[in-house]
Amino acid sequence: GESVGLHLPTLSVQEGDNSIINCAYSNSASDYFIWYKQESGKGPQFIIDIRSNMDKRQGQRVTVLLNKTVKHLSLQIAATQPGDSAVYFCAQADFNKFYFGSGTKLNVKP
Amino acid sequence: DTGVSQDPRHKITKRGQNVTFRCDPISEHNRLYWYRQTLGQGPEFLTYFQNEAQLEKSRLLSDRFSAERPKGSFSTLEIQRTEQGDSAMYLCASSLAAVYEQYFGPGTRLTVT
Repeated sequence: GESVGLHLPTLSVQEGDNSIINCAYSNSASDYFIWYKQESGKGPQFIIDIRSNMDKRQGQRVTVLLNKTVKHLSLQIAATQPGDSAVYFCAQADFNKFYFGSGTKLNVKP
Repeated sequence: DTGVSQDPRHKITKRGQNVTFRCDPISEHNRLYWYRQTLGQGPEFLTYFQNEAQLEKSRLLSDRFSAERPKGSFSTLEIQRTEQGDSAMYLCASSLAAVYEQYFGPGTRLTVT
């Protein structure tokens, strides 16, 4: 099976600081990677995605970096806000099947 | 359209009973996915449909699990002879076929006693 892992289960940051959430993946053939945010009691919410022919993609306050050499994905959140507190999952797609990591919980301290 | 909806939101059942969950995707989305999520874990892919065709079901957890999407719109996930290990959140997601971005529903939380 596929393996998508996260380096840290919990990350605490101060409001206003930048957050970096890391993810390792195992299938080098995957062509699509996604970051999701999940708040308590809700389904995952799409944040940003990146295809394997890119190494960086930016959204509003978020940036995803893809390093295919070491099979590493990261999510950077700028100026972290209390509303960013949630569990973040990385996922990789392989022929229309999606594999999620176990998640990193982001705590934003006021 | 308000997004993906799932019904019921919570289901408590006794071991050995059958349960069925429903998912209504975003109306123009022709792909529909089912996932299972246990506490502290990421969603686990189960199966997906493109329109009414079930294109991948090898990840369904056992032959007690089945899914249908008879008219290419809503979908149902059935678990027969439930076991305590089936207790989890069952998530549905939908997307446009040409685009990978999936929109998730709120999930159905199943508790098997």
